[in-house]
Amino acid sequence: SQQGEEDPQALSIQEGENATMNCSYKTSINNLQWYRQNSGRGLVHLILIRSNEREKHSGRLRVTLDTSKKSSSLLITASRAADTASYFCAPAFSGGYNKLIFGAGTRLAVHP
Amino acid sequence: EAQVTQNPRYLITVTGKKLTVTCSQNMNHEYMSWYRQDPGLGLRQIYYSMNVEVTDKGDVPEGYKVSRKEKRNFPLILESPSPNQTSLYFCASSKGLAGTGDTQYFGPGTRLTVL
Repeated sequence: SQQGEEDPQALSIQEGENATMNCSYKTSINNLQWYRQNSGRGLVHLILIRSNEREKHSGRLRVTLDTSKKSSSLLITASRAADTASYFCAPAFSGGYNKLIFGAGTRLAVHP
Repeated sequence: EAQVTQNPRYLITVTGKKLTVTCSQNMNHEYMSWYRQDPGLGLRQIYYSMNVEVTDKGDVPEGYKVSRKEKRNFPLILESPSPNQTSLYFCASSKGLAGTGDTQYFGPGTRLTVL
């Protein structure tokens, strides 16, 4: 399968802690995006990292990309209850310009 | 406000009764697509469109039709719905092709139940 696979499937932490989610994929990519989905709602774009980048930051989010290991990670620092959501990675595979392929996501629960 | 709208948001219907889910975007995006989301399966692409009158199948197109007569609209048609099409459906749009890094803007979702 070409989709990204998120790990863990579920993560439960306390407010203030950091949350790390991982994404693995199997073939070469052009870029990788991370999206967030609040329960039953549409996905919202968080951050894009291109294949020639190793790390990007956006506010409390830090994304890394290791193309040699075919993996990416999303770190949310100082998490808040409002970060409770599902998080999806979407690798864009080389040559597959017409779609993003989403995995099953990581369900993050942040407890007050 | 830039947005993707879908209607209806919730729909309960019976097997075989044709239905249409509308999708509209106000961002002048070229690319639009439909996904379904099922527990444990993530989002799977049903159809996509790269421009007016240009549509193509995604990963799970069986049982669905689409049309792109206008740039802003991309309706999803179920000619003869079956219970296995019970799912949460999302429309999405982007300026360019999905795989080039352009942000996908998602609609709020349509929860469809086929009895």
